[in-house]
Amino acid sequence: AQSVAQPEDQVNVAEGNPLTVKCTYSVSGNPYLFWYVQYPNRGLQFLLKYITGDNLVKGSYGFEAEFNKSQTSFHLKKPSALVSDSALYFCAVRDINAGKSTFGDGTTLTVKP
Amino acid sequence: NAGVTQTPKFQVLKTGQSMTLQCAQDMNHEYMSWYRQDPGMGLRLIHYSVGAGITDQGEVPNGYNVSRSTTEDFPLRLLSAAPSQTSVYFCASSQDRGNTIYFGEGSWLTVV
Repeated sequence: AQSVAQPEDQVNVAEGNPLTVKCTYSVSGNPYLFWYVQYPNRGLQFLLKYITGDNLVKGSYGFEAEFNKSQTSFHLKKPSALVSDSALYFCAVRDINAGKSTFGDGTTLTVKP
Repeated sequence: NAGVTQTPKFQVLKTGQSMTLQCAQDMNHEYMSWYRQDPGMGLRLIHYSVGAGITDQGEVPNGYNVSRSTTEDFPLRLLSAAPSQTSVYFCASSQDRGNTIYFGEGSWLTVV
């Protein structure tokens, strides 16, 4: 069975500093990995995905994620955080055979001015 | 584009009542699913569908029914509401099994 772990419930960074939100996964076969962001009282929005190819994936709002197969990780990064990046972030892995996605428990990112 | 539309946005039910959460998508997506979101528990899959006429259970299906008579619609039925079903419900769709998931804005359900 596939699984996703987001080891940090909360990440706090100062505006302008780099940020990292961690994600590790477990899946049989090739992983389809995603990051989503959720703002208060809203649905989840797609940020970026890794299916194949370059291990560094670039997405919306200046975010990027690095796929590391040996460490089974897919950490979300941004070189310079903005206060408006404060939100709840979810990592997800997709089972392409069944068409089901498994989500992590989410990490709350707070960026302080 | 409307994307994924859920109704109602907010609902209060009494224990034992039944209701249907509506979900419609206008992107001609084959895959649709329902999740519930509870504090500290992330998103949990209730039911999903890989096409019209095909549905399957997810992680937490008990107390819920679904049907998929058309590609566009995927309603979620609560048969006899319980306080444990108080949650935020999200409908989602994707073009195929490996593609990005698009979410609705959520339905806040309180069972008293």
